[in-house]
Amino acid sequence: NAGVTQTPKFQVLKTGQSMTLQCAQDMNHNSMYWYRQDPGMGLRLIYYSASEGTTDKGEVPNGYNVSRLNKREFSLRLESAAPSQTSVYFCASSNGGEPYEQYFGPGTRLTVT
Amino acid sequence: KNEVEQSPQNLTAQEGEFITINCSYSVGISALHWLQQHPGGGIVSLFMLSSGKKKHGRLIATINIQEKHSSLHITASHPRDSAVYICAVRETSGSRLTFGEGTQLTVNP
Repeated sequence: NAGVTQTPKFQVLKTGQSMTLQCAQDMNHNSMYWYRQDPGMGLRLIYYSASEGTTDKGEVPNGYNVSRLNKREFSLRLESAAPSQTSVYFCASSNGGEPYEQYFGPGTRLTVT
Repeated sequence: KNEVEQSPQNLTAQEGEFITINCSYSVGISALHWLQQHPGGGIVSLFMLSSGKKKHGRLIATINIQEKHSSLHITASHPRDSAVYICAVRETSGSRLTFGEGTQLTVNP
């Protein structure tokens, strides 16, 4: 039982390059989330998926797209990376109902030069 | 003003000290979460509470819904408690969390 896994752990991109961050959970959770964490700021929600087949924008969705591929997997895509997207990205999942506890992946440290 | 404010931002303690981290919020909530982020970056959930008090080992979390305030206490602190402690609230509508900026705790031996 791996919980929430994310790949890659580290990535360096040049401005304008694209990439996809992968996230998978094996807890049969309905809801999945993508956050970014920047120094001096709390975790901010980029996109979330309340259930398979649905996705919704969070607080900071600009420059990102997501795909809920199936119940297990939720990917985050940067189509044209910008230095402002340098951050640590966390994926999380929850069962979508009580007790709403979220389980976090280990994070992806992305640097855009 | 952020919806979730934590204090202090940074806290240094000596091993064995009693530690308190505070969280205030401005919205109506259905639950409040305390999370711990280790130096390696991993985030784990410590508590989720909607009223009263919860205890797990040396950690105690309390919430006062009327005052919109929660505290996380660590008794007999230890260097391994060094981490960032994050408060997050779940508003009354929906399952999304809003996070505070975190409190960096360093416990020196």
